[in-house]
Amino acid sequence: ETGVTQTPRHLVMGMTNKKSLKCEQHLGHNAMYWYKQSAKKPLELMFVYNFKEQTENNSVPSRFSPECPNSSHLFLHLHTLQPEDSALYLCASSQATGGNQPQHFGDGTRLSIL
Amino acid sequence: SQQGEEDPQALSIQEGENATMNCSYKTSINNLQWYRQNSGRGLVHLILIRSNEREKHSGRLRVTLDTSKKSSSLLITASRAADTASYFCATDLIQGAQKLVFGQGTRLTINP
Repeated sequence: ETGVTQTPRHLVMGMTNKKSLKCEQHLGHNAMYWYKQSAKKPLELMFVYNFKEQTENNSVPSRFSPECPNSSHLFLHLHTLQPEDSALYLCASSQATGGNQPQHFGDGTRLSIL
Repeated sequence: SQQGEEDPQALSIQEGENATMNCSYKTSINNLQWYRQNSGRGLVHLILIRSNEREKHSGRLRVTLDTSKKSSSLLITASRAADTASYFCATDLIQGAQKLVFGQGTRLTINP
């Protein structure tokens, strides 16, 4: 209903697994974002894509690998994660990048690392 | 790094009362946004206020911005149980204003 769909909603994986999170937006936006939301911490921006090009990597460890094949789809590939990576991962989109752009969020993927 | 800080961290009021949440930030901004997050869901955009604006309204929501004090407030009037959620402010920076920086949020509980 927000126009941004994330799958899966829940994911449990071991530290040696490889998995991917998917985000799709149906709003015709050009910018897409990945955020990490952990308990007791502010929302952390991970990556920003604008017209499929990565414009921001907020010092994210290489075990997180984003992919943006087009302006409507965004993936986050995960491998060799650590227990501290357990969190809610939120995808968002906006018409353009910039602080004057409202962002539309998906409902997130709740990730648990065993 | 954290730019906005909401106050209080948690607020519990009776249905029908007004709820006020505050946000303070450290550096000059172009825009400030408020978002709501219901439990287990994503964030929902509520209001955007520009640095040259002092007040904005949207339905039962009223946002003020005081750039001299580097602070903003969100007022929800005549609260309802459905307003129970976490509320976040997000700011951009005059330099490098391509992203938003979120605060830790205020957890609002409306008691019936």
